[in-house]
Amino acid sequence: SQTIHQWPATLVQPVGSPLSLECTVEGTSNPNLYWYRQAAGRGLQLLFYSVGIGQISSEVPQNLSASRPQDRQFILSSKKLLLSDSGFYLCAWSRGDAGELFFGEGSRLTVL
Amino acid sequence: GQNIDQPTEMTATEGAIVQINCTYQTSGFNGLFWYQQHAGEAPTFLSYNVLDGLEEKGRFSSFLSRSKGYSYLLLKELQMKDSASYLCAVRDRNYQLIWGAGTKLIIKP
Repeated sequence: SQTIHQWPATLVQPVGSPLSLECTVEGTSNPNLYWYRQAAGRGLQLLFYSVGIGQISSEVPQNLSASRPQDRQFILSSKKLLLSDSGFYLCAWSRGDAGELFFGEGSRLTVL
Repeated sequence: GQNIDQPTEMTATEGAIVQINCTYQTSGFNGLFWYQQHAGEAPTFLSYNVLDGLEEKGRFSSFLSRSKGYSYLLLKELQMKDSASYLCAVRDRNYQLIWGAGTKLIIKP
């Protein structure tokens, strides 16, 4: 069966510090991978998606970046966090473009 | 622009039935999804509709009318554990998922 894990689950970081969230998928190959952010009371905001190694599409211009160094690994990074980066970050995968999304456990980031 | 509308919050009684509506305006349509999200947790997949009609899965059913841009999620025999947010999402013509803000469902004993 397929599983998805992301870490860390909780993170408290000062403004201006770097960020690295990691996500790995097991039990499937060549998945579509996604990073979402969820703010309280708002819909899921797509940040990045990837259809293959080294292929990253950015949906929202910001100080975040994503990388896919391996087929089933997706990393969300920032060199300098802003207060507005606080939120609940979710990694997800799907089989191709039409399938349902399966989400990781989520990472709650608080920037102080 | 593309838009998904669903009520912000609903309250229902344990054992009862509740219907959560979702209306959408998107550029094309390639399927509609319902997800359940408990507080502080990740969303989990509930149902998928791509053709008009009702899809039943245990206590949960989902209905779609593409001509009306409308869907609903029907929850029967409500249990306290059904207290959660329910997210409606639509795939547009480019297979991008458009998400609603979610409906927070409160179940009272």
